[in-house]
Amino acid sequence: NAGVTQTPKFQVLKTGQSMTLQCAQDMNHNSMYWYRQDPGMGLRLIYYSASEGTTDKGEVPNGYNVSRLNKREFSLRLESAAPSQTSVYFCASSESDRVIYEQYFGPGTRLTVT
Amino acid sequence: DQQVKQNSPSLSVQEGRISILNCDYTNSMFDYFLWYKKYPAEGPTFLISISSIKDKNEDGRFTVFLNKSAKHLSLHIVPSQPGDSAVYFCAASLNNFNKFYFGSGTKLNVKP
Repeated sequence: NAGVTQTPKFQVLKTGQSMTLQCAQDMNHNSMYWYRQDPGMGLRLIYYSASEGTTDKGEVPNGYNVSRLNKREFSLRLESAAPSQTSVYFCASSESDRVIYEQYFGPGTRLTVT
Repeated sequence: DQQVKQNSPSLSVQEGRISILNCDYTNSMFDYFLWYKKYPAEGPTFLISISSIKDKNEDGRFTVFLNKSAKHLSLHIVPSQPGDSAVYFCAASLNNFNKFYFGSGTKLNVKP
């Protein structure tokens, strides 16, 4: 089991460029999430998907779009990158019908926008 | 405004002693709380959780205490080991388990 995988691990963009961060999980989880981690801010939820075919906004959705391609994959797109989007991005998944609702995280994507 | 706060950015403890990490929250409707541990260049990993119907949950060396009246939870690690050195995040959820609110983290350093 690979768990949650994210690509790429590192990315440098220029302001205005676009890119898609990929995430996949092999645990057959229903729910998937995208977070960003900034110094002193902890993890903040960008978007989540409670099940295949549904997506909802989190705390900080502006400037991002998501696609739940199938049960395994959940991608995050930056249409026009801005320096404020420099951050570490984590994808996570969870099984929503268990007693313990812990999330399983990927290793992260470190994005720098210049 | 952050609904979950970890006011201590760092904590240093001697090996074998107790580590106490604290977390405060503002929303009294939170009903599920978790602690995660994060090593550099890795994603957070789940450590322990507690439901709001309990005031204590224990798993080996890790115990989480919840004080609902004070809106405060704490993680106790006894005895602390050098491998526990990491950043610890607390998180809280409303009855919608798809949204978790994270604190800013506390970096624990356990000295040999």
